[in-house]
Amino acid sequence: QVQLQESGPGLVRPSETLSLTCTVSGGSMSSYYWSWIRQPPGKGLEWIGYVYDSGYTKDNPSLQSRVSISIDTSNKQFSLRLNSVTTADTAVYYCARAISGNAGDYFYMDVWGKGTTLTVS
Amino acid sequence: QSVLTQPPSASGTPGQRVTISCSGSNSNMGANTVTWYQQLPGTAPKLLIYSNDQRPSGVPDRFSGSKSGTSASLAISGLQSEDEADYYCAAWDDSLNSFYVFGTGTKVTVL
Repeated sequence: QVQLQESGPGLVRPSETLSLTCTVSGGSMSSYYWSWIRQPPGKGLEWIGYVYDSGYTKDNPSLQSRVSISIDTSNKQFSLRLNSVTTADTAVYYCARAISGNAGDYFYMDVWGKGTTLTVS
Repeated sequence: QSVLTQPPSASGTPGQRVTISCSGSNSNMGANTVTWYQQLPGTAPKLLIYSNDQRPSGVPDRFSGSKSGTSASLAISGLQSEDEADYYCAAWDDSLNSFYVFGTGTKVTVL
C-alpha cells in the first residue's frame, strides 16, 4: 500500500524559500503525477502543482512562477520549493499521488500524505 | 482563485439524504470530469468520487456523484454521524494556463 510522508522545516522567514519533501513508500513512482496541495488555516484547498515521473512539471499560475517541483525517483522522493514567501503562504501542505487518463479525460488524487504545517513568520 | 462554487454548509439528520452542488463553467466542469474529496476534521482529504460518478474501492455506496453540463452533485444517502466532514469538488480548468481547481468546500453537519 502506497504511503506518502511530507517533511519540512515548520517555520520559514518572510522573503525566504520554502522547501518541502515528500517520501513515497510501498509503491512505484512510474506513471503518476506527484502533486502538492495546500490549505491555509480555516480555508479551502489550493492545488500548487505536480511533477510527472519523467520530470515534466505543471504549476498553478496563481502562484506567479514562484514554484519549483522536482522528482528523485531513485530515492522515491519529490520536492517543492516556493520562493519569496509571505505570511499568505502559511498553510498545511499536502503531497499526493494523482492519476490521469491518457487523453487527460480524468485526473484525481488517490493517495494523500498526512500533511505538514508550514508557518511563515 | 476557486472557480467552482459550492454552498458553504449543508445538514441533515441521521438517515436523511443530503445533496451538495458544485457549479463551474465550460472551461472546467463543462470540459473535464469531476472529482469529490472528503476531509474529516483534522485529517487529510480522501478521494470519494472520481470521473464524475465512480467510487473507489472502500467508499460506501451511500455516496454517489453526478454531472450535467457545468454542474455536479454529490449525494449522501442514509446520512451517518461519521459523514460529518468538509466536501470539495475539483476539476481541471482548461483556461489559457490550465490548472487544477478545487471547489470552495461544503461543511456537512449531522444534526
